[in-house]
Order: sequence, then C-alpha cells, then structure tokens
Amino acid sequence: GESVGLHLPTLSVQEGDNSIINCAYSNSASDYFIWYKQESGKGPQFIIDIRSNMDKRQGQRVTVLLNKTVKHLSLQIAATQPGDSAVYFCAEILIYGQNFVFGPGTRLSVLP
Amino acid sequence: DSGVTQTPKHLITATGQRVTLRCSPRSGDLSVYWYQQSLDQGLQFLIQYYNGEERAKGNILERFSAQQFPDLHSELNLSSLELGDSALYFCASSVGGGSGGPLNEQFFGPGTRLTVL
Repeated sequence: GESVGLHLPTLSVQEGDNSIINCAYSNSASDYFIWYKQESGKGPQFIIDIRSNMDKRQGQRVTVLLNKTVKHLSLQIAATQPGDSAVYFCAEILIYGQNFVFGPGTRLSVLP
Repeated sequence: DSGVTQTPKHLITATGQRVTLRCSPRSGDLSVYWYQQSLDQGLQFLIQYYNGEERAKGNILERFSAQQFPDLHSELNLSSLELGDSALYFCASSVGGGSGGPLNEQFFGPGTRLTVL
C-alpha cells in the first residue's frame, strides 16, 4: 500500500485544525460516492459513503458534502490528528459497482 | 485486521508468465472486488463478483480473468504478463452487492505485490 503517485496534491494542516479534502467527479449519473483512506504500507480503508440523493452525511469526526450541481464532493475531518495522515481517495460508483472510478488522491499531512 | 486475506503477499515473475492471486473474503461477505494500484495509474477497479457471479467489470484487461468459487473465495488470474502489470493488487469484500449503504462497506485485504521482471 505504498503511497501512489509521487505528485499527489498535498494538504498540510496543523494538528487540531479542521481539514477539507476536495474531489471533482465526472459522471452526473453516479449513484453513490465513497471516501477511502490509505495509510502508507496499507490497503485502502472505507471512511464514509453518501448516496446521490443526499447532500450531507456525518460520521465520527468526518462529514461528506455532495454538490451535484458542480459535481463536487468534499470530506471534512474535524480536529485533525496525526493518525489522519494518509492519502485520501474519492470514488464514484454507478449502482452495483458499475463504472467504479477513483479520483487521483490527496495526501493529507498533519503537522505537530 | 480487516478479515480479508490475500495470498501471496509478494510475487516476482517474468514477462510472459501467468500467475494466480487468491482472496478470501470476510466471513459472511458475498461480494469480492479486485483492484489494481500502480504508481502511474493510481487505484483502479478491475472486477466484482457477488455470490459466485460476475456483477461489474471495470478496467480489466482481456489477459486477466477472475472467478468466485462456491466457498466465496476468489482468484484473479493474470496471464501473458508485461512489465506494466507490476502493481499492488487488492481485493475487498462486502456483504452487499454494491448498491451503497452500510451493507456495501468494503473491507480491503493487505494486497499482493506483483513484480514482473
């Protein structure tokens, strides 16, 4: 699970601050969206998903916002911690796994 | 530990060869997904099986094939290997068939690192 893409966009945030990671998707017909976290040397880990009929969904310390008008997805992480340092991927999916497309990923770096 | 197991962990082979990667899903999960992650192409969905049947196909080459067996484990077969096939191959499993929602949360295995020389 090495970090993919030596030239990933990087977001650096101070520990304790909120992080916002953005993702543009391409298919307006996508049925749902998933955010994944991938730590160095590990496989992707599901964080949260959202169906296309919703515009906001909250989890534990995370919130996903969906703006279908501009085909934009964001992941907000509250009170960012060092353990949040990872690469974050969004994915858009047509129902039943059709057309499952990942974004390029964003590297989140949490500064002490 | 996600509960998904993949073997082997590492595989080194030569161009033109054929390999088989194996995935055992979490107990009770019916879906298995295969993904490829390479440095230049990022993470790509290859194929999904649900309860033994192919459910969705992504960017899977014709040289690659997969199947899911009655005990729900899955194998990904890669043939006529090329240098560009070197990558991490992940499988994931979920209870549901991929329609979103809690039953479709995917749990990833640790991956198989394939190196083609």
